[in-house]
Amino acid sequence: DGGITQSPKYLFRKEGQNVTLSCEQNLNHDAMYWYRQDPGQGLRLIYYSQIVNDFQKGDIAEGYSVSREKKESFPLTVTSAQKNPTAFYLCASSALFQTGELFFGEGSRLTVL
Amino acid sequence: GENVGLHLPTLSVQEGDNSIINCAYSNSASDYFIWYKQESGKGPQFIIDIRSNMDKRQGQRVTVLLNKTVKHLSLQIAATQPGDSAVYFCAENEIISNFGNEKLTFGTGTRLTIIP
Repeated sequence: DGGITQSPKYLFRKEGQNVTLSCEQNLNHDAMYWYRQDPGQGLRLIYYSQIVNDFQKGDIAEGYSVSREKKESFPLTVTSAQKNPTAFYLCASSALFQTGELFFGEGSRLTVL
Repeated sequence: GENVGLHLPTLSVQEGDNSIINCAYSNSASDYFIWYKQESGKGPQFIIDIRSNMDKRQGQRVTVLLNKTVKHLSLQIAATQPGDSAVYFCAENEIISNFGNEKLTFGTGTRLTIIP
């Protein structure tokens, strides 16, 4: 079945540590996205990639980094520079950038202890 | 029951009744709108979309209405079922530059609870 897979589903980290969230899709989509979701707020765009080997900052990119070395993979690193990293992180993909339906993964919940 | 947007982020509806979830969008240049459903602990799922050249679109038990005059979007769910309990998000595809760059902006969501 085609879809988008995020891992891990739950992750705990100590302050000062970097952590990388995985996102893999087998939908052959060009565009991929990372969103952050906090209680009572809408989804906020962290980074996006319209095509392999290219990515752009979203609205809240500070303290995060990404790479897009393969079409199917778009990992997100939450660095120690991110001041408030505890959140639910959602990865999504679409056939074309910002057009049509976004397919979301199941999310990764990061808790900083 | 009817939600009036951000001021009432929760909505409870008796099973079998119809529900209406409202969303106000910000950009009059937005040309595409989507409704997503998010169940607890899961990623959002596409429900229905509508382009700005339409004012109504129907799916299975769902209808989206678009009022461009007042920049208002609504999602109607008919004959609600327990599985409809979730958070519902609207999203607008904004044109953010003269070069046609687009940005998908999500609302804060409305929690719908179906009472058995």
